Amino acid sequence: IAGITQAPTSQILAAGRRMTLRCTQDMRHNAMYWYRQDLGLGLRLIHYSNTAGTTGKGEVPDGYSVSRANTDDFPLTLASAVPSQTSVYFCASSEGDSVGSDTQYFGPGTRLTVL
Amino acid sequence: GQNIDQPTEMTATEGAIVQINCTYQTSGFNGLFWYQQHAGEAPTFLSYNVLDGLEEKGRFSSFLSRSKGYSYLLLKELQMKDSASYLCAAGDSNYQLIWGAGTKLIIKP
Repeated sequence: IAGITQAPTSQILAAGRRMTLRCTQDMRHNAMYWYRQDLGLGLRLIHYSNTAGTTGKGEVPDGYSVSRANTDDFPLTLASAVPSQTSVYFCASSEGDSVGSDTQYFGPGTRLTVL
Repeated sequence: GQNIDQPTEMTATEGAIVQINCTYQTSGFNGLFWYQQHAGEAPTFLSYNVLDGLEEKGRFSSFLSRSKGYSYLLLKELQMKDSASYLCAAGDSNYQLIWGAGTKLIIKP
């Protein structure tokens, strides 16, 4: 593994189903982030983690949850998917624990469609 | 409120120079980032400015004026592979990144 990987690459999901998007980094970065990107809008932060064991809410956290059990993994869970959660989801990481002031490195993204 | 403004789309000619502007309003300021994003791909880091002035990196340069809440990305000797979206992002006092919607740059031969 080199950098950040995300799985799945794409997914079509029925509304009401539970879904976990996976994110793994091998750079030993402290901070990790989940964003969603919608056409015409900037990247919007869903949740973040400054370091293993801690998480925080971003701009649009409702309907999503995260955990950070170790440095490398940062899964994003949709407890009960709704069509408005149709989006491209990017996981990112940065070396330091000062969220936002360090260069962020992005995974390839997961394209999620909720029907 | 916090806001980032950048043009939605720009068109330029191969070999030319283009300047993409970004204005920002944030509560506090912790630097200005530019990222490049090709269609269907992830954003990749281009530059970071925290002090006023011009940072040059090969064909790309980035400028910051903190007093004006203004930055620009300058791309020289444009190549077809520079066709992409360019994202401006500013760090606020909580060290969160506020992202612009991106400028889609179209390069014509």
